[in-house]
Amino acid sequence: DQQVKQNSPSLSVQEGRISILNCDYTNSMFDYFLWYKKYPAEGPTFLISISSIKDKNEDGRFTVFLNKSAKHLSLHIVPSQPGDSAVYFCAASTSGNTGKLIFGQGTTLQVKP
Amino acid sequence: EPEVTQTPSHQVTQMGQEVILRCVPISNHLYFYWYRQILGQKVEFLVSFYNNEISEKSEIFDDQFSVERPDGSNFTLKIRSTKLEDSAMYFCASSEGGTYNEQFFGPGTRLTVL
Repeated sequence: DQQVKQNSPSLSVQEGRISILNCDYTNSMFDYFLWYKKYPAEGPTFLISISSIKDKNEDGRFTVFLNKSAKHLSLHIVPSQPGDSAVYFCAASTSGNTGKLIFGQGTTLQVKP
Repeated sequence: EPEVTQTPSHQVTQMGQEVILRCVPISNHLYFYWYRQILGQKVEFLVSFYNNEISEKSEIFDDQFSVERPDGSNFTLKIRSTKLEDSAMYFCASSEGGTYNEQFFGPGTRLTVL
């Protein structure tokens, strides 16, 4: 049951360039989306979120774009830094439930100096 | 900065034994969650807990699993009779509200069932 998909297992980017991580979902009831970053041996760390009433949310170097008609969201990191190297998870939830998050498989981002 | 803590960081147990994983959520948070990640797989929801009761559970969360908030600060996950396939990283998370609130995750407990 892959309601949230991250089709790229890995991404490599040069320091200073833009990193674009993609996520697709199938459940049209999802109305809140989050991105988490995870380092080895640590728990996921919240990065940024977006509700379905918006199409863009920005926080510093991180911007999330939501295309509801395509059931697609993306995370842009500009400029990318070596410290951004981690696994990035897209997650989604539905209002009216308990906040249960459905995660994608994750994309490993490597930012090369 | 407040954070979610979990103990132990690593638990090794024999198949059939009971384990209790412990979590201390952020103090003013009202919603509590357990997730797990089997090696190489995605993070999966197990259970959510609010107002001292389970509010939602997944198919994974069968009768072998239980959760408790025994003293107003700790939040525990018990597995009564562990199986090999229970080996995973278990993450506790908490949030101020339900939906539209980010969840803060602990560092995880690595459970190894032999």
